[in-house]
Amino acid sequence: SQQGEEDPQALSIQEGENATMNCSYKTSINNLQWYRQNSGRGLVHLILIRSNEREKHSGRLRVTLDTSKKSSSLLITASRAADTASYFCATVSYSGAGSYQLTFGKGTKLSVIP
Amino acid sequence: SQTIHQWPATLVQPVGSPLSLECTVEGTSNPNLYWYRQAAGRGLQLLFYSVGIGQISSEVPQNLSASRPQDRQFILSSKKLLLSDSGFYLCAWSEGQHHQPQHFGDGTRLSIL
Repeated sequence: SQQGEEDPQALSIQEGENATMNCSYKTSINNLQWYRQNSGRGLVHLILIRSNEREKHSGRLRVTLDTSKKSSSLLITASRAADTASYFCATVSYSGAGSYQLTFGKGTKLSVIP
Repeated sequence: SQTIHQWPATLVQPVGSPLSLECTVEGTSNPNLYWYRQAAGRGLQLLFYSVGIGQISSEVPQNLSASRPQDRQFILSSKKLLLSDSGFYLCAWSEGQHHQPQHFGDGTRLSIL
């Protein structure tokens, strides 16, 4: 079942602008992860934020997590044409008996226009 | 460093033919292994995962099966492909528990004619 829902489904911006993608989820989580997928390729893990963290940075990426609103955002600052890709959030929830389940959303397709 | 290899990159098969996709991981021991399918413009659907040799969990009923004959080898198979099996298949691995980040291969584009 789908846990994370990204918003918007597609986003087109000019190079140099910031891109913000949002992810909402329904159940409590252990952590939330963001992945990037270039067209026709596998996913690449970008960043993991734990449920007790509110913000995390990695280079031009900034991720926030609001567990009270069950939402996360991924901000890419000073975007480049090479940032063009689909971005997925994935939620990790405890599924019982010491196991966790990772569930991907449908993704946001980002186009950065040179 | 760890690497994951998945092949072939593309495959065109007729309906009713068998399938075997292979995935191998290097540079780590006892990884969790995963097979996903991604429909066009959609998210990932987990098909199978494995926490050890010979241990396979199936997430959805389907025409496919998976096997893990060796620690770092994961195989996706079908005896008879259906048109609905078309899609982009991705293999991934993670360390330890499922809550760790997953690392993906480059995928296999499977077209059924």
